[in-house]
Amino acid sequence: DTEVTQTPKHLVMGMTNKKSLKCEQHMGHRAMYWYKQKAKKPPELMFVYSYEKLSINESVPSRFSPECPNSSLLNLHLHALQPEDSALYLCASSQRSGGVEQFFGPGTRLTVL
Amino acid sequence: ILNVEQSPQSLHVQEGDSTNFTCSFPSSNFYALHWYRWETAKSPEALFVMTLNGDEKKKGRISATLNTKEGYSYLYIKGSQPEDSATYLCAFHQMYSGGGADGLTFGKGTHLIIQP
Repeated sequence: DTEVTQTPKHLVMGMTNKKSLKCEQHMGHRAMYWYKQKAKKPPELMFVYSYEKLSINESVPSRFSPECPNSSLLNLHLHALQPEDSALYLCASSQRSGGVEQFFGPGTRLTVL
Repeated sequence: ILNVEQSPQSLHVQEGDSTNFTCSFPSSNFYALHWYRWETAKSPEALFVMTLNGDEKKKGRISATLNTKEGYSYLYIKGSQPEDSATYLCAFHQMYSGGGADGLTFGKGTHLIIQP
């Protein structure tokens, strides 16, 4: 299985809602990533997990809370988001840290009303 | 903030023609340069990971070159086909001295449209 899956594909939420995005891979990869892509801009790194530990947080607001419960699963918990947080959220994984191919999921399209 | 630039932003090419586009990136702290192909509503697909100055890689009709000293990479498509229509993204992988995983800094992409 060489796929990174993300659920849901689309999510619409209000500013007071709490929701979660889910990412899963079964390739035995030990590094997982969250990226955010706004319209007409490149994907931007949010978080990196290495061996289930958070290794990089790119100054992301606390209304985004990542979680890596095991080596196959990566969640992004969302709470009190703003309309400007509407974007495509991409998950990726790689076999190990540094210099190797990252495999991407198709993304979750998030709309915050 | 790392500056990764791609040009052109968009490109219309006739089917059968060859084309190329550019990615420029910082020439310091280089670790790797990635090329991705991204079709709408699909996952970005990795094309190449390039690590050595002078690297040339090829996958079918697509090839790429790398110059880390001057900070640029070219992607070439030979004999373009309609299925080559996609956005091509390059991503710079910075050397990370602290250990652990790090992420990619992407360019804005080149949107390629192949006209039959």
